[in-house]
Amino acid sequence: KQEVTQIPAALSVPEGENLVLNCSFTDSAIYNLQWFRQDPGKGLTSLLLIQSSQREQTSGRLNASLDKSSGRSTLYIAASQPGDSATYLCAVPYTNAGKSTFGDGTTLTVKP
Amino acid sequence: GAGVSQSPRYKVAKRGQDVALRCDPISGHVSLFWYQQALGQGPEFLTYFQNEAQLDKSGLPSDRFFAERPEGSVSTLKIQRTQQEDSAVYLCASSSPDGDEQFFGPGTRLTVL
Repeated sequence: KQEVTQIPAALSVPEGENLVLNCSFTDSAIYNLQWFRQDPGKGLTSLLLIQSSQREQTSGRLNASLDKSSGRSTLYIAASQPGDSATYLCAVPYTNAGKSTFGDGTTLTVKP
Repeated sequence: GAGVSQSPRYKVAKRGQDVALRCDPISGHVSLFWYQQALGQGPEFLTYFQNEAQLDKSGLPSDRFFAERPEGSVSTLKIQRTQQEDSAVYLCASSSPDGDEQFFGPGTRLTVL
C-alpha cells in the first residue's frame, strides 16, 4: 500500500525567504506526482504535475522535483510572499486512473 | 463549466438522517473521484467513476455510503443514517480523458450532530 509523508507538518518563514517542502512515498512505481495548494475552508488547487519520466516542473516561483528511486519529491518556493500562506499537499496516483494517495500536508505561514 | 462545482457547500445533519452531496465535474471530463478529508489530514479516496461506470469503490467506509453517476456527468454521494464520524469535508475531483491532472471542487463540509 502506498504511503505518502510530508515533513514538516508546519513551517513559518519571514517574507522573501526561499523554502523547500518535502514529500516522500514508499512505492516508487508511480505514474506521476501532483502538488496542490489548499486555503482554509477551500478545495485543492493544482500547482504542478510531474510525470514519472520527468525530473522537475516549474511554474513561476514554484519548482517541483521528483526522484522516483529515492521516493522523494520537493516543492521549492522562491521569494516567499504572505499570499503563499496555505497548506501544501502532494498526491500520488495508484495507477494511471488517477485514484490518489495524499500526504497530510505542510501548513506554510509567510510572515510580512 | 469553468471548474468543478459542489453543492451544498455546508450541510448540517442530525445523526440518523440521510444526506445527498452533489458534484458537477468539468464538462468533458471522463473521470470523477470522491474523497473524504478529515480536519488536519489529507484527502482519503472514496470512489472513482469513468463515465457512468463505478470502477472502484474500495474506499467507501461502509455500506451506508453510496455514489452514482447515471449519465456520466453529475455525480451524487449519498450517506444513509449519518453518524458523527461521517463529519468531514467531501471533495470531488475530475480529470480529463488523459487521466493525469485532477481538478478539485470546493468541497462540502458535512457536520453530523
